[in-house]
Amino acid sequence: QPGLTQPPSVSKGLRQTATLTCTGNSNDVGKQGAVWLQQSQGHPPKLLSYRNNNRPSGISERFSASRSGNTASLTITGLQSEDEADYYCSAWDISLRAWVFGGGTRLTVL
Amino acid sequence: EVQVVESGGDLVQPGGSLRLSCTASGFTFSKSWMSWVRQAPGKGLEWVATIPEGGGETYYVDSVKGRFTISRDDAKNSLYLQMNSLSVDDTAIYYCVTDTMSNWGQGTLVAVSS
Repeated sequence: QPGLTQPPSVSKGLRQTATLTCTGNSNDVGKQGAVWLQQSQGHPPKLLSYRNNNRPSGISERFSASRSGNTASLTITGLQSEDEADYYCSAWDISLRAWVFGGGTRLTVL
Repeated sequence: EVQVVESGGDLVQPGGSLRLSCTASGFTFSKSWMSWVRQAPGKGLEWVATIPEGGGETYYVDSVKGRFTISRDDAKNSLYLQMNSLSVDDTAIYYCVTDTMSNWGQGTLVAVSS
């Protein structure tokens, strides 16, 4: 089954801003928006954002999501060392009736 | 506080079967779509199956269709995944996930090996 496209890795410096992208199609990201998940080494994923820019309680305002057409983005401002993790996007594909995931982006904070 | 706890993972031989369970609390389980998502060692996340509220329909990734069955028991706030004809490619941590990927359990490890 098809999936979403994410860059495998992004590196940024401490206190800088990182923007991660996630490209799908008109049946998934373009229709339903994306959710963004953070997975630190050895831990289960944690939801950062859903339906483009709704943050669950407890998620820092440094994390913001947006969408333009079939591409979703996650922007992390004021990078901290604890932001170093794998970031996944996912969306419900209304045509496939399936959740599709991106391959994940490993964020390195230098 | 929303909690989901998976159980049932084990080491099983190729061709074998396993039933995973997930017990949920802290939210109205009967009104929530529920999913299983897996992660093979060192790999990314892969959606496995979803069951909407009511359980009238079920959805699966192509690779498990005909082998896995997702089900729910709303009276017990529980989600299940019956896995048959297991292959080494099914080796992964299996996560129980609520709604729109909102809450994740710690996962349960399924290892398929001879």
